[in-house]
Amino acid sequence: DQQVKQNSPSLSVQEGRISILNCDYTNSMFDYFLWYKKYPAEGPTFLISISSIKDKNEDGRFTVFLNKSAKHLSLHIVPSQPGDSAVYFCAASSTGTASKLTFGTGTRLQVTL
Amino acid sequence: DAGVIQSPRHEVTEMGQEVTLRCKPISGHDYLFWYRQTMMRGLELLIYFNNNVPIDDSGMPEDRFSAKMPNASFSTLKIQPSEPRDSAVYFCASRRGAVYEQYFGPGTRLTVT
Repeated sequence: DQQVKQNSPSLSVQEGRISILNCDYTNSMFDYFLWYKKYPAEGPTFLISISSIKDKNEDGRFTVFLNKSAKHLSLHIVPSQPGDSAVYFCAASSTGTASKLTFGTGTRLQVTL
Repeated sequence: DAGVIQSPRHEVTEMGQEVTLRCKPISGHDYLFWYRQTMMRGLELLIYFNNNVPIDDSGMPEDRFSAKMPNASFSTLKIQPSEPRDSAVYFCASRRGAVYEQYFGPGTRLTVT
C-alpha cells in the first residue's frame, strides 16, 4: 500500500529547461512534505520541504508546490543543470507521527546537454 | 562536521550467514533511523530510535532482523540468518529533535548469494 506515489520512474529534460517532478499521496493526515535528491553510491540528501499550511516554497532554482485538495505536490527546477541529474524522492510525514517519513519510489531525472 | 557514517559500504555473504551493519549518527542527533531500499518498494523504514531507545520497529520484516543502539554514537542492524531476498541497500539516517529533516549515511549495499 503505497501512501506516497511517484508515478514517473524517469524524466529527461534539456539543460536550461524546467524540470517538473510529481508526487501524489493518499493519506490525508500527511501535513509535511520533503524532497530528497540522491546520487549513485550516496545517501539521499535533503533538498526542500513544505508544510501543509503553505502552497509554495522556493529556494533558489527549486520550488515545491502543494495542492492539498488534489493530494499532489510537485518539484520545479528552473533552469535545469546537468548536475541536477539524480534520483529524486518525495517524502511525507504527519504531526501525529512526526518521526516517520514515508517515501515514494523515486524519479530518475536526467538533464541532457 | 562528519556526516552519518556507515560500515561496511559493501557486503557480500552467503545465504545463512549472519550480517551486521554499523552506523555512527551525527554527533548531537538524538534520533536514528534504519531504512532499506529496493527497486520494488523504494525506501522503507525498518526501525527508529530516540535517545537510544527503539520507538517503532513495525517495519522490521521478520525476526531474522534485529537492531540495537547501545549508546548515542553507535547502532547495529543484524540479519541472522541472511537470505537472498535481503539483498538491498541499507541506509542509516539521523536527526536532531523535532525537525523533520533526516540526514542519511552513504548506505551499505548487501548482496546475499
